[in-house]
Parts: sequence; structure tokens; C-alpha cells
Amino acid sequence: QLQLQESGPGLVKPSETLSLTCTVSGGSISSSSYYWGWIRQPPGKGLEWIGSIYYSGSTYYNPSLKSRVTISVDTSKNQFSLKLSSVTAADTAVYYCARLRLRSWVGPWGQGTLVTVSS
Amino acid sequence: QSVLTQPPSVSAAPGQKVTISCSGSSSNIGNNYVSWYQQLPGTAPKLLIYDNNKRPSGIPDRFSGSKSGTSATLGITGLQTGDEADYYCGTWDSSLSAHVVFGGGTKLTVL
Repeated sequence: QLQLQESGPGLVKPSETLSLTCTVSGGSISSSSYYWGWIRQPPGKGLEWIGSIYYSGSTYYNPSLKSRVTISVDTSKNQFSLKLSSVTAADTAVYYCARLRLRSWVGPWGQGTLVTVSS
Repeated sequence: QSVLTQPPSVSAAPGQKVTISCSGSSSNIGNNYVSWYQQLPGTAPKLLIYDNNKRPSGIPDRFSGSKSGTSATLGITGLQTGDEADYYCGTWDSSLSAHVVFGGGTKLTVL
């Protein structure tokens, strides 16, 4: 059974870089059928796709975040990572990693990790 | 402002049926599959319906999905108190180069 788990600091200072890692277990991140993505949810609000990566390293970003986002993959560790630079309080959210079937569906999702941007 | 439009809330009594709508455009719902996600309080979203009307293994047939033109609908029959959750529709959007866009979510209350 495929499982995803987010890890990283829960508190980031304004203007700094948010860094999270997603570890995939129970399956290979190198599967040709799927992308791997990050989705966030501000407290009490809806879901926002941040970006996705293919195991080959091809990346796709939300245009509204593209200038601040970097997603990378480490197939040897079955992990992919998110970096979001120059964070502000508006970036406070629960961050989820998930598997994406292109043009179809998202699942499974990690349990999510709350990242708070505050000094 | 979400790309897809859902009603903020719906409610119905236990045992009854409810539908949740999701409206989009030709660049998203009109030309792509729609999926639905259930988010129980304090948990991560879970895939409920994919490819407009298919259910993943383990999802009861009380949940159904349909799509017509640029709109989609989630139906839930035989409502249970455990169905109280937020429900999100999702699809791909070619004009935004977005791998996935979501509706704003609908809070289902089982009275």
C-alpha cells in the first residue's frame, strides 16, 4: 500500500525559505504512470496546487507561485522535496504531498504538515 | 477565488440523498476528467471519485459522480453522520497550465 509522509520544520521566519520533503513508501517514485506533487491548504480555506514533478525531473509549477517554488526529486531515496522562498504569513498552511495521475486524479495524499510563517 | 465553483454548504438528514455541484469552463471540466475528494475533520483529503464517475476500491456505491459539459455533480445517498466532511472537486486546467485545480469546497452537514 503506497504511503506518503511529509517532513520538515513547522515554523519558518518571514522572508526565509520553507523546505519540506516527502518520503514515498510501498511503491517506487520512478513509476512512469505518475507525477508527484505538493498541495497546500491555508487554515480554514481550500486546496491549492503548488507544483508537480516527474521522476525524470521534469517540473510543473502553479503560475502564481512559480517565481518562488523549486521541486526536486531523489529517486535513490524515493523522496521529493519542496522549497518555497521569500515566505510571508500568507504561506502559512498545511502542506500535503501526493501522487498525481496526469489529467486524472490525486491520491494517495500524505497526512499533511502545518507550516507557520512567523517571527 | 477558486477556478471551480462549488456551493459553500449543503445539508440533509440521515438516510436522505444530497448532491454537490461543481462548475467550471471548457479549459478545465469541459475537456478533462473530474475527481472528487472527501476531507473529514482534521484529516487529509481522500480520493472519492475519479474519471468523472469511477470509485476507487473501498468507496461504497452510495457515492456517485457525473459530468455534463462544464459542470460535474457528486451524489451521496443513504447519508450517514460519518459523511459529514468537506468535499472538493478537482480537474486539470489547460489554460492555466495547471496540473490540478480545485473547487472551493462544500461543507456537508448531516442534520
